[in-house]
Amino acid sequence: QKEVEQNSGPLSVPEGAIASLNCTYSDRGSQSFFWYRQYSGKSPELIMSIYSNGDKEDGRFTAQLNKASQYVSLLIRDSQPSDSATYLCAVNMSGGSYIPTFGRGTSLIVHP
Amino acid sequence: EAGVTQFPSHSVIEKGQTVTLRCDPISGHDNLYWYRRVMGKEIKFLLHFVKESKQDESGMPNNRFLAERTGGTYSTLKVQPAELEDSGVYFCASSQSVGMNTEAFFGQGTRLTVV
Repeated sequence: QKEVEQNSGPLSVPEGAIASLNCTYSDRGSQSFFWYRQYSGKSPELIMSIYSNGDKEDGRFTAQLNKASQYVSLLIRDSQPSDSATYLCAVNMSGGSYIPTFGRGTSLIVHP
Repeated sequence: EAGVTQFPSHSVIEKGQTVTLRCDPISGHDNLYWYRRVMGKEIKFLLHFVKESKQDESGMPNNRFLAERTGGTYSTLKVQPAELEDSGVYFCASSQSVGMNTEAFFGQGTRLTVV
């Protein structure tokens, strides 16, 4: 069973701090990794994609990938209350159809 | 450009009834996915269409679920007869291409409650 694991949280950080969200995956052949943000009652929104080992930065967001450790993370700098949401890690599993497979999601709360 | 749209947004039905969910993907997206999220669990894959063809339906829970995508445009997911454990949020997603770097875009979901 190919799986994606995330700590469900909630992760609570003060405004202005760095929020660190982590994800591990079981399929060593996976090549594509995504972070989605989902506000309560809304659709998951794609915020970051990463395909190569290392860091990828986009504004206040940095995705980090370590394929050897099968680990992908999302850092949110200068966290804002509006960042409070559930963050979903998704991995396109290898083996043919590359279906995006999701973790349970981590609930982030940024308090003023 | 319109995003992925789903209808209805909420549905409450009694056990044993039939419900049909609809998804309109982003125009030009050949790939359409159905997912389901049961409370407290992860978003689980149900099936994948490429145009009108079912590419992968390995996630469909049982034969009470029937998905169609006539003409390769919108898709419907019918649950007949509905059971209590079918309650959850059903998401539809679409993507332009299929492959390793596929980025999928989601609809707002249909919250189904079976009572």
